[in-house]
Amino acid sequence: KQEVTQIPAALSVPEGENLVLNCSFTDSAIYNLQWFRQDPGKGLTSLLLIQSSQREQTSGRLNASLDKSSGRSTLYIAASQPGDSATYLCAILQTAGSYQLTFGKGTKLSVIP
Amino acid sequence: GAGVSQSPSNKVTEKGKDVELRCDPISGHTALYWYRQRLGQGLEFLIYFQGNSAPDKSGLPSDRFSAERTGESVSTLTIQRTQQEDSAVYLCASSHGRHTGELFFGEGSRLTVL
Repeated sequence: KQEVTQIPAALSVPEGENLVLNCSFTDSAIYNLQWFRQDPGKGLTSLLLIQSSQREQTSGRLNASLDKSSGRSTLYIAASQPGDSATYLCAILQTAGSYQLTFGKGTKLSVIP
Repeated sequence: GAGVSQSPSNKVTEKGKDVELRCDPISGHTALYWYRQRLGQGLEFLIYFQGNSAPDKSGLPSDRFSAERTGESVSTLTIQRTQQEDSAVYLCASSHGRHTGELFFGEGSRLTVL
């Protein structure tokens, strides 16, 4: 059974700093991996989707990488802003035949002005 | 619509009552999902629809939970005889085409069972 871990559970950084959020998984035979952000009391917003054949995806100040062999993905946020404060979740789709995403519990990011 | 819409946004009910939660997916999205998020916990998969069919209902926690989808659009999640442990945020998501694509979530329905 796939297990997804996100460490640390919470992270606080000063504005302007570059930072990396980590996601590790136990079964490397994944189909794709998706990063989301969740603001308090809100739903999830998709940030980046990486297919298993890809090594990274970029959107603006965000860059997500995938290393299946080591069971890791990272989300890099450049020049962090207070508006980046949210909980960041990674989720894995195991195979094309499965329908369920397996979510990590998230990293709560606080960017201090 | 522009995004996934869920209603009600908040629902407080008494133990033993039935509740219905509604999800309007993004227009044209054939794949629809329900997830549950309990306080301090990760998201739990409940059910997946492709069109009006549900090929995966494995996440429904008990027979008190049911869901349907009509017109390849609106979905309703029904919880009968609610229990306090049903208190959670129920999130709906949709995706275009097959289930392997990017998911778009609604803001959720927060259910509190007293």
